[in-house]
Amino acid sequence: QQQVKQSPQSLIVQKGGISIINCAYENTAFDYFPWYQQFPGKGPALLIAIRPDVSEKKEGRFTISFNKSAKQFSLHIMDSQPGDSATYFCAAVGNAGNMLTFGGGTRLMVKP
Amino acid sequence: DVKVTQSSRYLVKRTGEKVFLECVQDMDHENMFWYRQDPGLGLRLIYFSYDVKMKEKGDIPEGYSVSREKKERFSLILESASTNQTSMYLCASSPPPRANTQYFGPGTRLTVL
Repeated sequence: QQQVKQSPQSLIVQKGGISIINCAYENTAFDYFPWYQQFPGKGPALLIAIRPDVSEKKEGRFTISFNKSAKQFSLHIMDSQPGDSATYFCAAVGNAGNMLTFGGGTRLMVKP
Repeated sequence: DVKVTQSSRYLVKRTGEKVFLECVQDMDHENMFWYRQDPGLGLRLIYFSYDVKMKEKGDIPEGYSVSREKKERFSLILESASTNQTSMYLCASSPPPRANTQYFGPGTRLTVL
């Protein structure tokens, strides 16, 4: 049973468009929500993260929106570029702090 | 830069073989993790270790064991490989006290025939 549900599984966006990936969680003990980016042949790498005391965090073209009451968070990629084509994973860490729970992943393709 | 290396990028084994996957990190991190990655299922935690000779089961430990004799090295062992263990295996490390930021190796693609 996945504690973090991610959608969509795959996404195709035109260059310059907005990519949106959504995640939902059940466990209210989660208190840190990172996003990881994985390019083919590489391991995942931390992209951006948020804590539930803020509703939004922006780093360059990447923004996390967080809705604590709905237990949902999403990644927005503005002005998507072909170089953003990768698999994206949302994740959550509980207050025990010793494990990351990952969503199922979204394979993003940005067409030139 | 943190570097996590895994002993093999690709591995092909036969059913019933004992398989060792090695992981080494160079940042003196206390925490180390083994995941398997399957399409649609994301990354699922097999085992983690928060200190030398310490280990904790993750979500899917069945059919696997681990060894951590030195701080920098964390090994995943498949005692008797089965075809349903064909997968991508990822190792990660993180500094204490929390697992917030994990640094991943490039992965080992294991095929069990």
